[in-house]
Amino acid sequence: NAGVTQTPKFQVLKTGQSMTLQCAQDMNHNSMYWYRQDPGMGLRLIYYSASEGTTDKGEVPNGYNVSRLNKREFSLRLESAAPSQTSVYFCASSPGTVYNEQFFGPGTRLTVL
Amino acid sequence: GEDVEQSLFLSVREGDSSVINCTYTDSSSTYLYWYKQEPGAGLQLLTYIFSNMDMKQDQRLTVLLNKKDKHLSLRIADTQTGDSAIYFCAEKTTSGTYKYIFGTGTRLKVLA
Repeated sequence: NAGVTQTPKFQVLKTGQSMTLQCAQDMNHNSMYWYRQDPGMGLRLIYYSASEGTTDKGEVPNGYNVSRLNKREFSLRLESAAPSQTSVYFCASSPGTVYNEQFFGPGTRLTVL
Repeated sequence: GEDVEQSLFLSVREGDSSVINCTYTDSSSTYLYWYKQEPGAGLQLLTYIFSNMDMKQDQRLTVLLNKKDKHLSLRIADTQTGDSAIYFCAEKTTSGTYKYIFGTGTRLKVLA
């Protein structure tokens, strides 16, 4: 059981480049999330997917798109990277039970120059 | 709007108790959580408390909830160097089943 996996672990982009962050979970969870973590700001929700086939905007969706490819996979795309998107990105999943614990991946550290 | 606030840093000596505090604004929150983040890793759930409870104890961890003041605390007894990490408070809001608000995190440093 790998839990939640994310690729890549590190990435450096130039302004204007695009890339996709991959996330997969093997726990058969219904819900998946993308967060960004910035110093002194905690975690902010970018997008989430309550179940396969649905996606919704979170607190900071501008500049990002997502795809819930199937129940296991939820990807985050930056179409035209900006320095303000330099951050650590975390993917999480949850089973959708009453107390709904979230399980987090190890994170992707992205730097946009 | 909804907000969760925590102090940024806490330093304690090994063997002492640590108390990490959190205030939240959504009085209709159903669950409140404490997550731990070790260096270079994702967050892991430490414990949670349902909003109709005042206290929850789990080994060295004690969670206290004051709903009137919207204040949540995490007490770690006999703090060890392995407890050094960032601790996040989070609330599950009622404005969306899947919406969570995380605090800024408190960096706990345990001095030997």
